[in-house]
Amino acid sequence: NAGVTQTPKFQVLKTGQSMTLQCAQDMNHNSMYWYRQDPGMGLRLIYYSASEGTTDKGEVPNGYNVSRLNKREFSLRLESAAPSQTSVYFCASSEALSTGELFFGEGSRLTVL
Amino acid sequence: AQSVSQHNHHVILSEAASLELGCNYSYGGTVNLFWYVQYPGQHLQLLLKYFSGDPLVKGIKGFEAEFIKSKFSFNLRKPSVQWSDTAEYFCAVITTSGTYKYIFGTGTRLKVLA
Repeated sequence: NAGVTQTPKFQVLKTGQSMTLQCAQDMNHNSMYWYRQDPGMGLRLIYYSASEGTTDKGEVPNGYNVSRLNKREFSLRLESAAPSQTSVYFCASSEALSTGELFFGEGSRLTVL
Repeated sequence: AQSVSQHNHHVILSEAASLELGCNYSYGGTVNLFWYVQYPGQHLQLLLKYFSGDPLVKGIKGFEAEFIKSKFSFNLRKPSVQWSDTAEYFCAVITTSGTYKYIFGTGTRLKVLA
């Protein structure tokens, strides 16, 4: 009963490097999300996918791209990492956009030097 | 723009004290409201939610919240906190009309002293 699984859990990058955060859910949820969590700023939505085949920008999409690979998987890519992207990233899923209750992964701590 | 405000950033209480964490949102339309909790080193999990009906909702671990529409508030309460309630608490709002938005507050760190 894994729920939402994110990899990697920790990553250190140099400025300008690229990387992809992977997320998979096994709850047959339609909607998936990527958030970043920064001290004093709570969680901010980067991108979301209402259903397989669709993606939309959230509050802070600049510097990121996403792919909804299939119903289970939703990846987040940093093409050219910047120190401002140092954060904890959370993937989440929900049955549908309107139901609201989010199920979160354990988070990925990214440091950009 | 829609926003969620949690005015208490840090709260320190002794065990058995009562807790009330404030949450206010700015949005004139229909909303769904949530409280999430993040225990140290863990991911966020749902504490309780309000969609409609009785404005006083009960969640897990003895928590409850009251939706007051006229005040745009959804405050979290617990009559008697325990050391294990030490965590960060996030209020969240979904706007259900118009453009979809799922907005979190900045969080309140609660420390309960044994």
